[in-house]
Amino acid sequence: EIVLTQSPDTLSLSPGERATLSCRASQSVDSTFLAWYQQKPGQAPRPLIYATSNRATGIPDRFSGSGSGTDFTLTIDRLQPEDFAVYYCQEYHDSPPSWTFGQGTRVDIK
Amino acid sequence: EVQLVESGGGLVKPGESLRLSCVASGFTFVSAWFTWVRQAPGKRPEWVGRIKRNTENAETDFAAPVRDRFIISRDDSKDTVYLQMNNLKTEDTAVYYCTSENWGRAEFWGQGALVTVSS
Repeated sequence: EIVLTQSPDTLSLSPGERATLSCRASQSVDSTFLAWYQQKPGQAPRPLIYATSNRATGIPDRFSGSGSGTDFTLTIDRLQPEDFAVYYCQEYHDSPPSWTFGQGTRVDIK
Repeated sequence: EVQLVESGGGLVKPGESLRLSCVASGFTFVSAWFTWVRQAPGKRPEWVGRIKRNTENAETDFAAPVRDRFIISRDDSKDTVYLQMNNLKTEDTAVYYCTSENWGRAEFWGQGALVTVSS
């Protein structure tokens, strides 16, 4: 079973700053199957990034993803007030099919 | 506009059963794979299981904690996916989300249905 570990657990930043979120896998992940989601209280997760670096529909270009192998990064440039939320990475693997989510990184206002 | 709307959540006792429904609209239902994801209070999302298209025999896969207790089915004539949950345990308490799966990710999400298992 693949374990995803996100760091840091909490990131305290001011609007306008850059956020860099890490997602590390316990074994190599196919970059096609690495995604990121944003979640706000009381809401369903919202897709942000798929296949490591592709923005989902409607996601502004201040969100970007990168990485390969076991290390993946979500970067949020010029934090906006609506970006303060919890972010999860997620991977899919086959044989047997399964998804794994990281424990999340909370981005809050400093 | 794509919509996934879950219903059927509620409060049940340990050992009881519950069935969630998810009605989809705004896309071609018959072509889609659907995945159920749950999230216990204050926890990370957790994959529950998925169902493929009918042309792929509606094959299902499940996470280990729910295998042998949960069943996923689909009715393409009603654009509806079901999650039948049997022998529920307190640790199954969570918000259950219906999602449309696309290349191993949840492309669209429902609003969620709260399932509480408590005596």
